[in-house]
Amino acid sequence: DQQVKQNSPSLSVQEGRISILNCDYTNSMFDYFLWYKKYPAEGPTFLISISSIKDKNEDGRFTVFLNKSAKHLSLHIVPSQPGDSAVYFCAASAVGYTSYGKLTFGQGTILTVHP
Amino acid sequence: NAGVTQTPKFQVLKTGQSMTLQCAQDMNHEYMSWYRQDPGMGLRLIHYSVGAGITDQGEVPNGYNVSRSTTEDFPLRLLSAAPSQTSVYFCASSPSSMATEAFFGQGTRLTVV
Repeated sequence: DQQVKQNSPSLSVQEGRISILNCDYTNSMFDYFLWYKKYPAEGPTFLISISSIKDKNEDGRFTVFLNKSAKHLSLHIVPSQPGDSAVYFCAASAVGYTSYGKLTFGQGTILTVHP
Repeated sequence: NAGVTQTPKFQVLKTGQSMTLQCAQDMNHEYMSWYRQDPGMGLRLIHYSVGAGITDQGEVPNGYNVSRSTTEDFPLRLLSAAPSQTSVYFCASSPSSMATEAFFGQGTRLTVV
């Protein structure tokens, strides 16, 4: 039972345009959500996060939106750059229940940004 | 600035062999965990530790053992390797029980033939 789902295995966008990566979750206990970026042969690196008490969090070109009623979050990258090409993982945590850093991950979406 | 260090980076095992994947962190984090990454599955939690001497199972613990004798080290042991354990393994650490950001090592690519 996949509690965090990224239904798009891949996304291709043109440099300078917006990239939108989507993520859905089923577990109502999740109250903190993160996006990780992963390059080949490297470990995932933290990108941006959002608490369930917010519906939006911005960090430079990256914005995460959370719709709790729909159990859906999305990552917007504007403008997209070729260096953004990587695998993006959505992850969730039940912080209120002392998660100890345990994360539940989605399957990942491969983003390709074309020059 | 090492962060989380995993060794080896690559390993090929024969079915039935045992081995230990090493993980060390120099950030004095209490919480450490092991994940495996498989195509189409994302990362799945194998085992985690909330401090020296304390470990617990994650989502996919079968076939793996862990121990935590020091804050810095969290080795993952494969008792009798099986082809189903062919995967990329990531070790991660977190600074506190309420922390939500995990810091990952570079991974160990394991092939069991």
